[in-house]
Amino acid sequence: NAGVTQTPKFQVLKTGQSMTLQCAQDMNHNSMYWYRQDPGMGLRLIYYSASEGTTDKGEVPNGYNVSRLNKREFSLRLESAAPSQTSVYFCASKGVAGAADTQYFGPGTRLTVL
Amino acid sequence: AQSVTQPDIHITVSEGASLELRCNYSYGATPYLFWYVQSPGQGLQLLLKYFSGDTLVQGIKGFEAEFKRSQSSFNLRKPSVHWSDAAEYFCAVGARAGNMLTFGGGTRLMVKP
Repeated sequence: NAGVTQTPKFQVLKTGQSMTLQCAQDMNHNSMYWYRQDPGMGLRLIYYSASEGTTDKGEVPNGYNVSRLNKREFSLRLESAAPSQTSVYFCASKGVAGAADTQYFGPGTRLTVL
Repeated sequence: AQSVTQPDIHITVSEGASLELRCNYSYGATPYLFWYVQSPGQGLQLLLKYFSGDTLVQGIKGFEAEFKRSQSSFNLRKPSVHWSDAAEYFCAVGARAGNMLTFGGGTRLMVKP
């Protein structure tokens, strides 16, 4: 099992460009998450999907959109990138509804917006 | 709303010394509590978690943590640190009725030879 995979690993964008970060999990998990990590701020939740067909905003959703394409895949889209979106982005998945299970993380995407 | 505070941004310990990383949380009921570790350039790996029962929980790599309800704390400990423990450590809290985790700001551990 590959666990949680993310593509790309690195990306440099110019202000105003758009891109989609891809995430896939092969653990048959119901819930998937997108976080951003910035120095000294830990991980902050952008969006999550509790189950296939549902998505909800997290703590910092502005400037992002998500799509739960199927049970395996959860993508994050930046429609018009801004320098404030320079960050490391992590995708995670979790097996059962509710907080009683472990979130498993992907290796991250390092995004720089110039 | 739940929150997590990790008061120490950086900690340096000598190899072989003991370690304690602090975590304080704010939540109205008994939460789910987690410690994750992140090695440089990597994703997060679960060290241990507390759901209920024994307040002292054992994790991987020789780590343990103790849930103290009266102090709203969940401190991470290790009796003897190895150079490979150098990493960033994150405490997280989850509501029992919810799907989300709230993370602390992290503590970066450096290990002196």
